[in-house]
Amino acid sequence: DTAVSQTPKYLVTQMGNDKSIKCEQNLGHDTMYWYKQDSKKFLKIMFSYNNKELIINETVPNRFSPKSPDKAHLNLHINSLELGDSAVYFCASSQAPDTQYFGPGTRLTVL
Amino acid sequence: GENVEQHPSTLSVQEGDSAVIKCTYSDSASNYFPWYKQELGKRPQLIIDIRSNVGEKKDQRIAVTLNKTAKHFSLHITETQPEDSAVYFCAASRNSGTASKLTFGTGTRLQVTL
Repeated sequence: DTAVSQTPKYLVTQMGNDKSIKCEQNLGHDTMYWYKQDSKKFLKIMFSYNNKELIINETVPNRFSPKSPDKAHLNLHINSLELGDSAVYFCASSQAPDTQYFGPGTRLTVL
Repeated sequence: GENVEQHPSTLSVQEGDSAVIKCTYSDSASNYFPWYKQELGKRPQLIIDIRSNVGEKKDQRIAVTLNKTAKHFSLHITETQPEDSAVYFCAASRNSGTASKLTFGTGTRLQVTL
């Protein structure tokens, strides 16, 4: 019955690999977000989708590509992983533009 | 774009005392100001929010005040308890239409000691 869920919870991979993180929400919200939280705990928005349409696209390397197959799902694909990509990635959802609810996070470690 | 500054970065209080965390924002068009609590290894969770048409909001031991003229807002926690220990983030956004682009402060690590 989790409202916003993410998989996987942990991801450990080598530099240069490609990986994906998945997010799903069962709140009926129409907007979903990806945030990155770095080692200093700083939270920064990366992308936002509203009803499958990309509406926020911050200054993020184009190795990061979000995809929203429907309004309940938002995935993040990362190509050619680099050491600096190590972080916790949070998905969030809202009934735009109201309160955002966060998923449990995916801790990505690039070796 | 929006810039949010948060102080202090760490705060240690004794159980039962009050804690105050302050934030300033730069975009005068920002109209939504949530506060999130993040326990170690967990997700940020909304604890209270305030919109620009209100100057103060209270929920049990937690209150938030907003001064639009000075562009600052504060979180007040009274009668602190050990379970209040966490990192607290303020955020600001200009909510319109379909998007709510939250800009977060850098966080305050609150430690409540016995």
